Amino acid sequence: DTEVTQTPKHLVMGMTNKKSLKCEQHMGHRAMYWYKQKAKKPPELMFVYSYEKLSINESVPSRFSPECPNSSLLNLHLHALQPEDSALYLCASSLISGRGFGGANVLTFGAGSRLTVL
Amino acid sequence: ELKVEQNPLFLSMQEGKNYTIYCNYSTTSDRLYWYRQDPGKSLESLFVLLSNGAVKQEGRLMASLDTKARLSTLHITAAVHDLSATYFCAVDMGGGADGLTFGKGTHLIIQP
Repeated sequence: DTEVTQTPKHLVMGMTNKKSLKCEQHMGHRAMYWYKQKAKKPPELMFVYSYEKLSINESVPSRFSPECPNSSLLNLHLHALQPEDSALYLCASSLISGRGFGGANVLTFGAGSRLTVL
Repeated sequence: ELKVEQNPLFLSMQEGKNYTIYCNYSTTSDRLYWYRQDPGKSLESLFVLLSNGAVKQEGRLMASLDTKARLSTLHITAAVHDLSATYFCAVDMGGGADGLTFGKGTHLIIQP
């Protein structure tokens, strides 16, 4: 299995709703990421989990709450979002490769969850 | 703060022509990645460049890395319509899972 699976593919929610995005991989990757991508913009890093621990939070508002229940799963809990949060949310995973080993940190991306906040 | 700059941001070219996309980055790194994104789709990894002077080729695309100049290029040879997409370069800081910082992307349209 060489895929990152994201559900749902599309989500429409109101500003008072609570919803979750889910991401799953079975490649044995120990790093998982959430990126946000607005139309015609590059992906922007939101969160990184490394060995199931949150290692990077790029000053993301608390209405976005990540969770990594195990090494294969990554969730993004959404609450009280704003219309400007409408975007494509991309999950990715990678092996963890330190500089000392000269390895690559190739991210494998899922197909994304397209979120619309009304 | 790591900055990654691509140019051009938009490129319209004819089939059969050659062109180069440039990617400059602001800090020392020897790990540079190129991704392709089709409209409404996710990102597909194209190339990973891991050292100064690295060159990778796949079909009509060739990527290179000059770490001293902090420059990577993506060269398109004899373009075909199927190569129309947005191309992103990305850099990581190395040493574990730091995520990638992406350039703004080059929106490439190849016309018959």
